[in-house]
Order: sequence, then structure tokens, then C-alpha cells
Amino acid sequence: TQLLEQSPQFLSIQEGENLTVYCNSSSVFSSLQWYRQEPGEGPVLLVTVVTGGEVKKLKRLTFQFGDARKDSSLHITAAQPGDTGLYLCAGAPTTGNQFYFGTGTSLTVIP
Amino acid sequence: DAGVIQSPRHEVTEMGQEVTLRCKPISGHDYLFWYRQTMMRGLELLIYFNNNVPIDDSGMPEDRFSAKMPNASFSTLKIQPSEPRDSAVYFCASSPSGGETQYFGPGTRLLVL
Repeated sequence: TQLLEQSPQFLSIQEGENLTVYCNSSSVFSSLQWYRQEPGEGPVLLVTVVTGGEVKKLKRLTFQFGDARKDSSLHITAAQPGDTGLYLCAGAPTTGNQFYFGTGTSLTVIP
Repeated sequence: DAGVIQSPRHEVTEMGQEVTLRCKPISGHDYLFWYRQTMMRGLELLIYFNNNVPIDDSGMPEDRFSAKMPNASFSTLKIQPSEPRDSAVYFCASSPSGGETQYFGPGTRLLVL
């Protein structure tokens, strides 16, 4: 069962543009994580959000957890080629210790 | 720390053969997760262990798949017999505690012909 839907699935933009990636679910999560995965490697954690409405910033990346803890967004300002990769959200259900991963957004930033 | 270690990095086998994937988690991590990643289905959780004990194997697709964790520093995922639809990248990840950051290995790329 795929609990988390990400959009868009693919995104190709020019260097310097801004973008937003969305992660949506009908389920409530106790926390939500964002990972970035580069080709040939495993996902690497970027951030964890745990409180509804929480906003976290990591340099040019801004992450927000929805008020109802069912959705999240990732906004990148002035994208750079180094931002290229597969972005995955992962939600932790209110019970259990596993995370369920979203469908992924493949981002390409063209120099 | 060397991070999560997986072997082999690549595996090509023929349908019907047994495949064994190996994982060494980060020392001191209590949780170990096995995932499968494909273009069609994304990253799917297969099974996870806590202190070497399997907690949730509901993601294991069929009886052809089995996983063991005989000690805190080693786990295997076995497919017997393998089928072409098992072709995917298999990731192992470990975590210091439940609900915490997961550290992924580099993955094993499996191709079943």
C-alpha cells in the first residue's frame, strides 16, 4: 500500500529557479522525513519534522509539515545543479517504528 | 564509522537460482531495515528487525523471500527461487532507535535473467 504520494514525479528546471515538491497522504504521521538520493547510492536524510505546522530551513531548502500532519512540502530557492537527485518523503505512522516512503520526485537542475 | 555495508554491490543471476544479499549495519544500531526499490513501486519496506528480532515482515512479497539476523552485526535477505520480477535495487538501512534517522547502505543491484 502506497501511503504517500509525491508530486510532481519528474521536474526539470534551469539553475537559479525556485521549485516546490509536495508529499501528500490521507494518513496522519507522527513525524515526516525528507531524503535525497543520488544515482547509485542510498537515500540520505535531509530533515525530520515532528510538529504540525513546523517549518525547518536547511540553507536554500525549506521544509514544512502540514498542520494536520498528513502532508509536507519542500521548497528549494535558486536551485543549483548539485540539487539534482531523487527526493523522497517518508512518514512514520502513529504506531510502529518503520517509515513508509513516498513515490519520489526526480529533480534535474540544468546549468 | 564505515557506514552500512552491503554485498554484493551487483548480482546477475538466472531465474530459479538462489540469491543471498548481505548487510552489516552500523555498530550500536538496534534497528535494521530491508527495502526494495524499483521504478514502478518506489522504495518498499520488506522487513525490519529490532535487536535481531524480526518485528514486521508484512512487506515480504512471497514465501520465496526470507530474512535473518543471526547477530547484531549481520543480516541476510535470501530469494529462493529467484524470478525476473525480483530484479531491483535492494537496500539495507540501520537506525539507532525506532523512528530515528535511517542510514542506508549503497544497495545491491539485482538482475534476474
